[in-house]
Amino acid sequence: SYELTQDPAVSVALGQTVRITCQGDSLRRYYASWYQQRPGQAPVFVTYGKNKRPSGIPDRFSGSSSGDTASLTITGAQADDEAVYYCNSRDTSGNRWTFGGGTKVTVL
Amino acid sequence: EFRLVQSGGGLVQPGGSLTLSCAASGFTVSANYMTWVRQAPGKGLEWVAVIYSGGATYYADSVKGRLTISRHNSKNTLYLQLSNVTPEDTAMFFCARTWYYGDNADGSDVWGQGTMVTVSS
Repeated sequence: SYELTQDPAVSVALGQTVRITCQGDSLRRYYASWYQQRPGQAPVFVTYGKNKRPSGIPDRFSGSSSGDTASLTITGAQADDEAVYYCNSRDTSGNRWTFGGGTKVTVL
Repeated sequence: EFRLVQSGGGLVQPGGSLTLSCAASGFTVSANYMTWVRQAPGKGLEWVAVIYSGGATYYADSVKGRLTISRHNSKNTLYLQLSNVTPEDTAMFFCARTWYYGDNADGSDVWGQGTMVTVSS
């Protein structure tokens, strides 16, 4: 089965910048979408496409893509950003999707 | 406001079946891609199925042959049926609307609240 690879955990000092990456072959063709999930809550849609954000998502969240790697950057991390972040993309068939394993972001 | 309200779930015996519902408001289920995602306790998100607006369905290999995604257009409701369940199917199940933005970009912008399924004797 197709996989998207994320680092399990990352930490960032309050107000600093952190980048989370997601690697997979299909990212050369399909953009990743990114989701924030806090404990006990449904995922929240954070970014999609070429650095697009849904309505209501702060502009400190930005997405990018290069080759087989997609990235989510949080610029000026806030305590409220502490959560697990998942990337998601179609697989090479184009009709199934896969989530990355998730990256736990700790704000120090 | 776009909203998805889930129902169903609970305790299911191994080998049994379950049906989950996901009622939409503010948009039309049949005009959108609709997705089911599950999350085992303490684990990550797992995509399990999609139904396209045209009716085509696709499944993750882990559930293929046991899971059916469907919709009832007049009730504006999405369904998941899972058969021959095992303890490994114990998970929180989420429904979501997946919006295609074009240029090979999409995202699940509306999520249900989740419903827990526990498979145990």
